[in-house]
Amino acid sequence: AQSVTQLGSHVSVSEGALVLLRCNYSSSVPPYLFWYVQYPNQGLQLLLKYTSAATLVKGINGFEAEFKKSETSFHLTKPSAHMSDAAEYFCAVSEGSYNTDKLIFGTGTRLQVFP
Amino acid sequence: DTAVSQTPKYLVTQMGNDKSIKCEQNLGHDTMYWYKQDSKKFLKIMFSYNNKELIINETVPNRFSPKSPDKAHLNLHINSLELGDSAVYFCASSQGEATNEKLFFGSGTQLSVL
Repeated sequence: AQSVTQLGSHVSVSEGALVLLRCNYSSSVPPYLFWYVQYPNQGLQLLLKYTSAATLVKGINGFEAEFKKSETSFHLTKPSAHMSDAAEYFCAVSEGSYNTDKLIFGTGTRLQVFP
Repeated sequence: DTAVSQTPKYLVTQMGNDKSIKCEQNLGHDTMYWYKQDSKKFLKIMFSYNNKELIINETVPNRFSPKSPDKAHLNLHINSLELGDSAVYFCASSQGEATNEKLFFGSGTQLSVL
């Protein structure tokens, strides 16, 4: 069965510091991997996705994630945190790209950014 | 214990039928949601209820009708199912109704309309 594990329910960084949100997955088939972000007052948005093309995926607002098969990881990074990055981030895995291939969500990581 | 549970997990049905998806949360949360996972895996909010009252109703065909008998339950009834309704539907809950409240997701209901 597929699953994702997000290490750390809360991450705090200073403005301008590196953001690293961890996600490890388990899948018996090559996975499709996603990061969703829940910004305050904006609801849930797709940040980026990996669908077996380039292993380094760039998303919106300067975020990127790298698929590492050997480590079964898909960590989310941003070189320099901004106050507006404060949000809840969800990693998700899917077995396929069809709209009926179900997403499996992690439990989320809340990112706090301090001035 | 599962925090947010949806039933059924899989639903295969014919066009034109009426079906329901049930959702229950045991977290004591005040707000519950239905999301639809579209073809690009983007989650689109359909409805949200706070303490049994409808607070978000996005542009969704009126064939979709949510019902909240109490704050722990939010069911989704769909009339006259169409092929385009095939998708995964997620229930979620949060403590409050502010959109920065953390969401807790159910495992999804995979609906296939034939």
